[in-house]
Amino acid sequence: KNEVEQSPQNLTAQEGEFITINCSYSVGISALHWLQQHPGGGIVSLFMLSSGKKKHGRLIATINIQEKHSSLHITASHPRDSAVYICAPFQGAQKLVFGQGTRLTINP
Amino acid sequence: SAVISQKPSRDICQRGTSLTIQCQVDSQVTMMFWYRQQPGQSLTLIATANQGSEATYESGFVIDKFPISRPNLTFSTLTVSNMSPEDSSIYLCSGCRVGSTEAFFGQGTRLTVV
Repeated sequence: KNEVEQSPQNLTAQEGEFITINCSYSVGISALHWLQQHPGGGIVSLFMLSSGKKKHGRLIATINIQEKHSSLHITASHPRDSAVYICAPFQGAQKLVFGQGTRLTINP
Repeated sequence: SAVISQKPSRDICQRGTSLTIQCQVDSQVTMMFWYRQQPGQSLTLIATANQGSEATYESGFVIDKFPISRPNLTFSTLTVSNMSPEDSSIYLCSGCRVGSTEAFFGQGTRLTVV
């Protein structure tokens, strides 16, 4: 079993739809990152969570430490949101463990 | 926060040659890491780059294949040596500071070996 499981692996939606990406992990963590990877490979950290919920624009991230589960939501999705979204909890010694990513495609 | 400039962004290399990837940070970071992402796979840690000493490699990765330098707290290089087509991947550096869970990432290097 992978230490980090994301679902779905691929998601295609229409512009304007509400998007949810889920992440379950088995490693013990102090915090978790949600990352966005662009086609060239570059990565941007969207959120760093250690508890509760964070919101940034149309993006919302939640985490339940006890259940070892986190979700990323996108409201009013737009084609420019198309990217790979990666869940990455800290394993310890500030090392990140990465999920396989969710490839999101938003059609106009 | 910190910004990491990684280069080259992409390269196509002949098998048997070596490529050095650079990451320059605009401020000091305590720790730097190098990752590999093979096609269709998740990011995997190659090694932790230690300032002024030898890098710490993860299982399955060796210094002869992936020599790493970290001469100071703002710069690191990864060399992919004696390349084969199996080395075709995205290589990514990241940095963070001790005591902080904030992480910074380079733009990635997409390597194709022919």
